[in-house]
Amino acid sequence: DTAVSQTPKYLVTQMGNDKSIKCEQNLGHDTMYWYKQDSKKFLKIMFSYNNKELIINETVPNRFSPKSPDKAHLNLHINSLELGDSAVYFCASSQERVLTMTGELFFGEGSRLTVL
Amino acid sequence: DQQVKQNSPSLSVQEGRISILNCDYTNSMFDYFLWYKKYPAEGPTFLISISSIKDKNEDGRFTVFLNKSAKHLSLHIVPSQPGDSAVYFCAASFKDNFNKFYFGSGTKLNVKP
Repeated sequence: DTAVSQTPKYLVTQMGNDKSIKCEQNLGHDTMYWYKQDSKKFLKIMFSYNNKELIINETVPNRFSPKSPDKAHLNLHINSLELGDSAVYFCASSQERVLTMTGELFFGEGSRLTVL
Repeated sequence: DQQVKQNSPSLSVQEGRISILNCDYTNSMFDYFLWYKKYPAEGPTFLISISSIKDKNEDGRFTVFLNKSAKHLSLHIVPSQPGDSAVYFCAASFKDNFNKFYFGSGTKLNVKP
């Protein structure tokens, strides 16, 4: 049973379109994240939610809007897609470090977005 | 500006030998470090971590060493196995913002049979 699942895994779309990526975790974690892996392979945090509350909001264009309907779900909506948005987007979740002793992230499989 | 760097994009090692993956960081305030392993078409999975109060942590074939004065950590895999072939990411976080992890760009390890 998949712990962190995100859909779709592949997304090919035209510039200017609006698209969403969905993420769900069944680990009971309180915190969820969106990371972007760009062409240089760095994983960079975009957003983090803790119990549906936004706690990390990096310098990301406001075309990107996360939404967390409950603590098990964190969706990413992207408006007016641009070529530079092409990347792999990873959803992740974690529990508080003090509880798990490690606080490591549990990642989904990634969603590869290609903007043409 | 990248605060966590992995300067070797790839590493090739013979099965049974030691693999050493390196990671450098620039911010001395990082207090927690992790290594993740990633197979193609999968998300990264946690491998091992170390707190800044330690200089070594071992888990089976995997050992992470932390040299705070040099702002350097390394992951040793002994003995290396073909199944270890993957991309390895190091990551770091701050004590007062431990939800935010800074990742390196990864090192692709190839273990040859």
